[in-house]
Amino acid sequence: QKEVEQNSGPLSVPEGAIASLNCTYSDRGSQSFFWYRQYSGKSPELIMSIYSNGDKEDGRFTAQLNKASQYVSLLIRDSQPSDSATYLCAVKGPGNQFYFGTGTSLTVIP
Amino acid sequence: EAQVTQNPRYLITVTGKKLTVTCSQNMNHEYMSWYRQDPGLGLRQIYYSMNVEVTDKGDVPEGYKVSRKEKRNFPLILESPSPNQTSLYFCASSLSGGAIDEQFFGPGTRLTVL
Repeated sequence: QKEVEQNSGPLSVPEGAIASLNCTYSDRGSQSFFWYRQYSGKSPELIMSIYSNGDKEDGRFTAQLNKASQYVSLLIRDSQPSDSATYLCAVKGPGNQFYFGTGTSLTVIP
Repeated sequence: EAQVTQNPRYLITVTGKKLTVTCSQNMNHEYMSWYRQDPGLGLRQIYYSMNVEVTDKGDVPEGYKVSRKEKRNFPLILESPSPNQTSLYFCASSLSGGAIDEQFFGPGTRLTVL
């Protein structure tokens, strides 16, 4: 079983719509959770981090964490073509290791 | 400018020829890490370091070595590269590796082993 699983997509949404990205993790002792965006040929860049159950909002982005269900999600409101990228879910385990999902490719159609 | 740098950015080599990929950060970060990224497999952690002279294996350490003699540098060494090590490699650093620390990634090194 993989440590972190994401719906691989690809996901296409029209401009202005809400994009929903999902991630599950296997280790209940995981401490913190991150969403990275990666444009083709570029390095990952952090969008959101979340550590407590519930929602965390930052501009058009909302991260949601449910530790009981071992589930993390990222909502992108008012999606823009510039949001087209691969989104990586990352989890920090109980130790000092990080685990990444395989990524979800998002395309926002103008 | 705060950044993580990697060299070289692109490298084509042959099986068995030892190589080193350098990584340096100018943010005084304690935690540094190496990842490889392969299609369908995502980012996988190779090694990480919590501080000078402290290194630990990640998920896929076989065939790699690291050292952390200075806080700012964390080179990745392939003693005898093989074709299955052809990949995109990223170095990353964070302040202390704590639960709330953001990792900053370098630009990546694309390695091809023939």
